[in-house]
Amino acid sequence: DTEVTQTPKHLVMGMTNKKSLKCEQHMGHRAMYWYKQKAKKPPELMFVYSYEKLSINESVPSRFSPECPNSSLLNLHLHALQPEDSALYLCASSPGPGGLAKNIQYFGAGTRLSVL
Amino acid sequence: GESVGLHLPTLSVQEGDNSIINCAYSNSASDYFIWYKQESGKGPQFIIDIRSNMDKRQGQRVTVLLNKTVKHLSLQIAATQPGDSAVYFCAENTDRPNYGGSQGNLIFGKGTKLSVKP
Repeated sequence: DTEVTQTPKHLVMGMTNKKSLKCEQHMGHRAMYWYKQKAKKPPELMFVYSYEKLSINESVPSRFSPECPNSSLLNLHLHALQPEDSALYLCASSPGPGGLAKNIQYFGAGTRLSVL
Repeated sequence: GESVGLHLPTLSVQEGDNSIINCAYSNSASDYFIWYKQESGKGPQFIIDIRSNMDKRQGQRVTVLLNKTVKHLSLQIAATQPGDSAVYFCAENTDRPNYGGSQGNLIFGKGTKLSVKP
């Protein structure tokens, strides 16, 4: 089973709203990722958690706040977003952080976010 | 044929034909590579990977070729089917320092849209 589950599938929010995206995996993976994908573009890395610690923050604006409550869950808290933040937000997980090991990332179906 | 422009490159093939999707990568230090398939409304799905010490790897109906000299990767799909229609991304892994160890980091290529004509 290589399933990564993301909720909700679709989200519409206003610029003053606070919302959260959720991601869950039960594969025992120790690295989890958030990506942002605009239409007809490749996924762009936002954050990486490795062993529940924030490992990489790709200079993402503070209106995006990640959280890793435990090794199976990853959240992305959203506050005061802009219309240009509308995109598909993808979560992924991999067995480990990589290094000498292969870093095959398994992706969820994504949350389609629209900011009005 | 293949078209490249302001939009996503597109490859259009006849059902039953073989498809070849190409990718140029940027970092000579990348140690392995992954091909992903992304269907409309879905997340990227792992297809096949290859380590930098190999030049060819085969899966079921798919073959990946790696040419490190010119930093080029290709995905060959045999007997292409309508269900193969999707956007295909190559991704290269480069390790970044992390807590005294390293963190794998995937960099995705631009993607190619494969359309299969029945």
